[in-house]
Amino acid sequence: RKEVEQDPGPFNVPEGATVAFNCTYSNSASQSFFWYRQDCRKEPKLLMSVYSSGNEDGRFTAQLNRASQYISLLIRDSKLSDSATYLCVVPRYQAGTALIFGKGTTLSVSS
Amino acid sequence: DAGITQSPRHKVTETGTPVTLRCHQTENHRYMYWYRQDPGHGLRLIHYSYGVKDTDKGEVSDGYSVSRSKTEDFLLTLESATSSQTSVYFCAISETQGTGANVLTFGAGSRLTVL
Repeated sequence: RKEVEQDPGPFNVPEGATVAFNCTYSNSASQSFFWYRQDCRKEPKLLMSVYSSGNEDGRFTAQLNRASQYISLLIRDSKLSDSATYLCVVPRYQAGTALIFGKGTTLSVSS
Repeated sequence: DAGITQSPRHKVTETGTPVTLRCHQTENHRYMYWYRQDPGHGLRLIHYSYGVKDTDKGEVSDGYSVSRSKTEDFLLTLESATSSQTSVYFCAISETQGTGANVLTFGAGSRLTVL
């Protein structure tokens, strides 16, 4: 299994739709997980940290399944402004506090 | 705002020339990183630093060197640029959340084209 793997998409959904992204990881010892959002030609920005079994922030829900080693991001009531690339991120213990980034899943929300 | 500034933001250079990218931070963070981002590869770690004069290699360090003579500055040098080093380079700092998890905050990026 690759260190971090995501479905690249693109996911094309209408406004108001619910969409979910999955990400698998290989290091079973990983403790901290994150979802970053990256807009076109911009830097990645932290969207959510993923805690224990999961957490919610408004329309966004992140879940962690340690047994199957995957994390997911659910976006409800999609907005045009949600169009971006979503990066799944896990820690890289061999390099200080560096993080390993998935290649990203592209979401396009249309009206 | 983590106060990260990258310079230059855009640079076009020729194969074989040396290039230095600068990352400047204003909040005394200990850890700093250089990543490159390419289509089909995502973000890959080049080098990182855990203090003044303390640096280590990442997964794609060949052809790159770094220096950190001051806490606030982390320099990435391409001694002899090649076309394969055409990329977007992101500097990042590490911050610890209240949960104890370390998250990265990125600069705006430096877009390098090697002709």
